[in-house]
Parts: sequence; structure tokens; C-alpha cells
Amino acid sequence: KAGVTQTPRYLIKTRGQQVTLSCSPISGHRSVSWYQQTPGQGLQFLFEYFSETQRNKGNFPGRFSGRQFSNSRSEMNVSTLELGDSALYLCASSLEAGLSYEQYFGPGTRLTVT
Amino acid sequence: AQSVTQLDSQVPVFEEAPVELRCNYSSSVSVYLFWYVQYPNQGLQLLLKYLSGSTLVKGINGFEAEFNKSQTSFHLRKPSVHISDTAEYFCAVHYGGSQGNLIFGKGTKLSVKP
Repeated sequence: KAGVTQTPRYLIKTRGQQVTLSCSPISGHRSVSWYQQTPGQGLQFLFEYFSETQRNKGNFPGRFSGRQFSNSRSEMNVSTLELGDSALYLCASSLEAGLSYEQYFGPGTRLTVT
Repeated sequence: AQSVTQLDSQVPVFEEAPVELRCNYSSSVSVYLFWYVQYPNQGLQLLLKYLSGSTLVKGINGFEAEFNKSQTSFHLRKPSVHISDTAEYFCAVHYGGSQGNLIFGKGTKLSVKP
């Protein structure tokens, strides 16, 4: 079974631009979560989607948004990019929502904002 | 505020020696606890989790962790490490409630030397 895939793997954007990152979960998984990883703040939860609905949201500004499609694929969007948005963005999928179900992480998208 | 503290940012150890990676969390009535490992340029992989039941949890790759409610700790241990265990290890805590999310520690870099 293919793992979680994230595209693109690397991205360079300019401050003020917007960016869309994509995540394809493991086949059959219905829950997708997004995390931001930076050296200073570590790993922080962005949001979780289940059955096309946002189930949970972390403490990030409204510039960060996401969505999930009927095939469970998910995208996250960051508008008006700031230098501090440079990070590794990780996507994780699980069979169902809830902690009993293991999250499988993708390799991440490394975003650099200049 | 709810928090997770990994007391050591880096742990160097010789091959075949035992290792303990420490994790403490802020007190709460109910918590779920996790350890993840991240190899270079990869996403996170779940090592083990504590949801309920026995306080000694066994995970993959020979790792185990013990939940200590009175000490609010969830330390990760391995009796004999291998070079291949070199990676970054993250402790994560879910502070209960169906709408909660995972809070991660800042990570511990384990370096196994021959």
C-alpha cells in the first residue's frame, strides 16, 4: 500500500505570495491532519479534516486554511506569506478520526519564504 | 497552559548501551501519550502510545515507555541501542476531550556512536 504523499516536496516563495500544499492519504484513510515543524517552535498542530469537514483547528492565524475533498485528499493554503512561515509542513492520515487510530505521516513539504 | 517538556535536546550514547529519553507533561486529569521518531528527511513514525491500561507500554524497534501519573512523566527507554536508532524522538500528549489535539515536545536528538 502506498504511503502518504505530499506535493511538492520543496517550495520557494516570496513574502506576500500565497501557496497551496497537497496531501494524498493512504488509500482508505478518511482523516487528514496537518502540522507545521520549525526549529524554534517545534511541531505544531494546524488542523484536522475528516469526511470533508474540519474537525479540529490549532492556534494559527486565518491566513492558514485547508480543505478536504471527497476522495480524502487534502490541501492547505497559506495566504500573504511571511518569513516566519518557512517550515516543514507535515501531513498525517489515519483510518478514522480519534486517537485510537494511528497517524501515518508523509515526508513533508519544505517551504522557504524569502 | 498545557505543555510537554523533553528535558534533553541531545543525547549521545555508544552502541549497545541503554538509553532513556525523558518526557514530562503538565498535569491533567486525563492524558494520552505518544512517542514518535523522525529519521532525516522523513516524516514521523509512531513508536508507541499509551491510551489506558498497563502503564508499561512496549513499542516497535525494542523501545518501551512507562506512564507515571504521579511524576507526570512518560520516559522512553531501550536496553541496547543500535546505530540505526540515530534519529530525533518526539514525545506528544493529548490532553483529553474529543476535540483536543496533540501537543509535541521540542524533540531529543539521539546520536548513537560506534
